[in-house]
Amino acid sequence: SQTIHQWPATLVQPVGSPLSLECTVEGTSNPNLYWYRQAAGRGLQLLFYSVGIGQISSEVPQNLSASRPQDRQFILSSKKLLLSDSGFYLCALTNRGREGYTFGSGTRLTVV
Amino acid sequence: EDKVVQSPLSLVVHEGDTVTLNCSYEVTNFRSLLWYKQEKKAPTFLFMLTSSGIEKKSGRLSSILDKKELFSILNITATQTGDSAIYLCAVEEYGNKLVFGAGTILRVKS
Repeated sequence: SQTIHQWPATLVQPVGSPLSLECTVEGTSNPNLYWYRQAAGRGLQLLFYSVGIGQISSEVPQNLSASRPQDRQFILSSKKLLLSDSGFYLCALTNRGREGYTFGSGTRLTVV
Repeated sequence: EDKVVQSPLSLVVHEGDTVTLNCSYEVTNFRSLLWYKQEKKAPTFLFMLTSSGIEKKSGRLSSILDKKELFSILNITATQTGDSAIYLCAVEEYGNKLVFGAGTILRVKS
């Protein structure tokens, strides 16, 4: 079965520091990969999605970026974090022909 | 602008009650509607709905989609404390985009 590994589970970073969140996939190949953010009390907001290596689409302009250096690796980055970047970040995947999405366990980011 | 609106935002019921959660949507290229249950971390998949009027059931949970009126409902019968969670509705568009609602926080009291 397909699984997503996300780390770290929690992260506290100072304003202005860099960020790198990693998401790796097992049990499938050539998935569509997604980064979502859930701010406190809100629904999930799509940040980036990727249909293949090196292919990134951005949904929301911001100081975050994403990269997909390998088929099963999706990275969310920032050069300088803002307070408003705090939230719960989820990596997800879909495979053509399968129902629904598979989500990672998430990273709780607090920018202080 | 694409949007998914869930109601109510929060709900408190007693064990054994039946609850109905609502989800309405306005999206450009509708492909499917999905329901998720989120307890502590990642949402877990409940249902995917693509056709109007066809009820999907899983145990005490059921859901149906109305593509003419652009809404879906999620029913939970004989609620249990383990049903306490945030229930998320999401609409999938062609082009791989998934738009989530804000969620309904359900609390079931024993």
